[in-house]
Amino acid sequence: DGGITQSPKYLFRKEGQNVTLSCEQNLNHDAMYWYRQDPGQGLRLIYYSQIVNDFQKGDIAEGYSVSREKKESFPLTVTSAQKNPTAFYLCASTVRQSGANVLTFGAGSRLTVL
Amino acid sequence: GESVGLHLPTLSVQEGDNSIINCAYSNSASDYFIWYKQESGKGPQFIIDIRSNMDKRQGQRVTVLLNKTVKHLSLQIAATQPGDSAVYFCAEDLRSYGKLTFGQGTILTVHP
Repeated sequence: DGGITQSPKYLFRKEGQNVTLSCEQNLNHDAMYWYRQDPGQGLRLIYYSQIVNDFQKGDIAEGYSVSREKKESFPLTVTSAQKNPTAFYLCASTVRQSGANVLTFGAGSRLTVL
Repeated sequence: GESVGLHLPTLSVQEGDNSIINCAYSNSASDYFIWYKQESGKGPQFIIDIRSNMDKRQGQRVTVLLNKTVKHLSLQIAATQPGDSAVYFCAEDLRSYGKLTFGQGTILTVHP
């Protein structure tokens, strides 16, 4: 079945450590996205990539980094510069088409800083 | 920046009732509006979308209404079931590719 796989599902990090969240899709989608979700909040865009080897900052990119070396993969690194990294992270993808830009989401990765 | 917001953060209904979830938006340039359902611990799932030049769109047990005059969007769920319990988000498709703006979300709880 086609879909988006995020790993790990749960991750614990000590302060000062960088962590990388994996996102892989086999939907042949062009664009991929990372959102952050905090309790009681909507989804906020961190980074997005429309094509391989290109990506743009979203609304809350500070303290995060990404790469897009392959169409299928869009890993997110949460760096030590991110002051409040504990959150639920969602990866999504979409293919350019007419109509609404419907995102397909992964199951999410929950990061907790100890 | 402009944002999408929801009037009601929580909604509790009895099984079999109809549910109405509301959303206010501020960006008149949005081309589409999209509703997502997010179950606990999972990623959001697409429910239905509506183009900005439409007033109403129906799906299976769901209807979305768009009132551009007051910039209001609603999702109606008919004969609500316990499986409908989730957080519902509206989102604006701001024409720029893939940059959806999400609202706060409404928690829908369906009691048997």
